[in-house]
Amino acid sequence: GEDVEQSLFLSVREGDSSVINCTYTDSSSTYLYWYKQEPGAGLQLLTYIFSNMDMKQDQRLTVLLNKKDKHLSLRIADTQTGDSAIYFCAERTDNTDKLIFGTGTRLQVFP
Amino acid sequence: ETGVTQSPTHLIKTRGQQVTLRCSSQSGHNTVSWYQQALGQGPQFIFQYYREEENGRGNFPPRFSGLQFPNYSSELNVNALELDDSALYLCASSFTGQLYEQYFGPGTRLTVT
Repeated sequence: GEDVEQSLFLSVREGDSSVINCTYTDSSSTYLYWYKQEPGAGLQLLTYIFSNMDMKQDQRLTVLLNKKDKHLSLRIADTQTGDSAIYFCAERTDNTDKLIFGTGTRLQVFP
Repeated sequence: ETGVTQSPTHLIKTRGQQVTLRCSSQSGHNTVSWYQQALGQGPQFIFQYYREEENGRGNFPPRFSGLQFPNYSSELNVNALELDDSALYLCASSFTGQLYEQYFGPGTRLTVT
């Protein structure tokens, strides 16, 4: 089946690290994504990881993939107020071009 | 800024009416996907167009239809609007050889009253 789950809310202090978690059910997922959505805006592609990798780093962003547990996480180092947004995890399987999204995690960064 | 544009930004329609939403792909992209995002939810896949033909469809009724034009721009048409069709409609463009990168437009906010 296809299901992507995320916790709804995360609050962190400016300068700390944020870790947003996601679990998925489809073991045939080939690519896993993190998108960011600011209020009233579309989705911004932050990063993605191929299923044969277990880690990807891109500046302040680190993606960890545990394929055995079907768990994906996004770590944001030195979180800033501009990082406040909703973060969506999404998966894509090999036999389809659609993305399956989670319900999103709202990240609030306070000074 | 992804280069994907959508129009209009906002739209208000009455139940039973028909609506057309438009999307212009990022330069060099030949595939367009449409998603519906209800308030407080993640986007749901409606369908995808490649070479002017539907290339995959989500769990949406036939009153949701689309077109892709030779310049790769696209339209989403919804007939017989229902209150539950109120949502943000997002289009995403990608290049066939790099479908793992889908770039989204800003969306069209549709309100059905």
